[in-house]
Amino acid sequence: GAVVSQHPSRVICKSGTSVKIECRSLDFQATTMFWYRQFPKKSLMLMATSNEGSKATYEQGVEKDKFLINHASLTLSTLTVTSAHPEDSSFYICSARPISSGNAYEQYFGPGTRLTVT
Amino acid sequence: DAKTTQPPSMDCAEGRAANLPCNHSTISGNEYVYWYRQIHSQGPQYIIHGLKNNETNEMASLIITEDRKSSTLILPHATLRDTAVYYCIVRAGTASKLTFGTGTRLQVTL
Repeated sequence: GAVVSQHPSRVICKSGTSVKIECRSLDFQATTMFWYRQFPKKSLMLMATSNEGSKATYEQGVEKDKFLINHASLTLSTLTVTSAHPEDSSFYICSARPISSGNAYEQYFGPGTRLTVT
Repeated sequence: DAKTTQPPSMDCAEGRAANLPCNHSTISGNEYVYWYRQIHSQGPQYIIHGLKNNETNEMASLIITEDRKSSTLILPHATLRDTAVYYCIVRAGTASKLTFGTGTRLQVTL
């Protein structure tokens, strides 16, 4: 089956620093990747949609200058949390839609990255 | 996308069928019903989807009422590994975005 990986699985950083999270589709190519965040005991919230080779589309209320998304290849998207603050501590999850998919539902999720900002 | 309503939590004994309901009374004709689940601290996993006919796969069955205003996900023989939050999502077939609600936390017990 299609596998999506995320790296790192968990990261602790100090307030004011930047953190990069990678999302890779391991056995398929993905033109579209999605980034979500999830606070404890809450549901997933879509942050942005990224398409390979173009600028990401951010959801309302998500600061694009704070959450930098780069989708430079068909198998890799990165999310950089810039100048992180404790309120950015969350579980970040990516998903990827296969390039060959004719079904809009076909979307595979990564295992998530737990970010803790101290 | 149509809004969905699910009970916040349910319990089920291991080996019994788990029936998870979802109300989507404002669903449109071109909107599908999708089910995903999220095991603790993992990414969501696709389970099943349907438009108006009942569907079955190796994981579960999806029963959609004739008026399409509600549906039920059935796990025929729940195991402890099925303990998770189950999300019912309604969206148009051509859309890419998944909008997650609060889901149902299913606890399978011995």
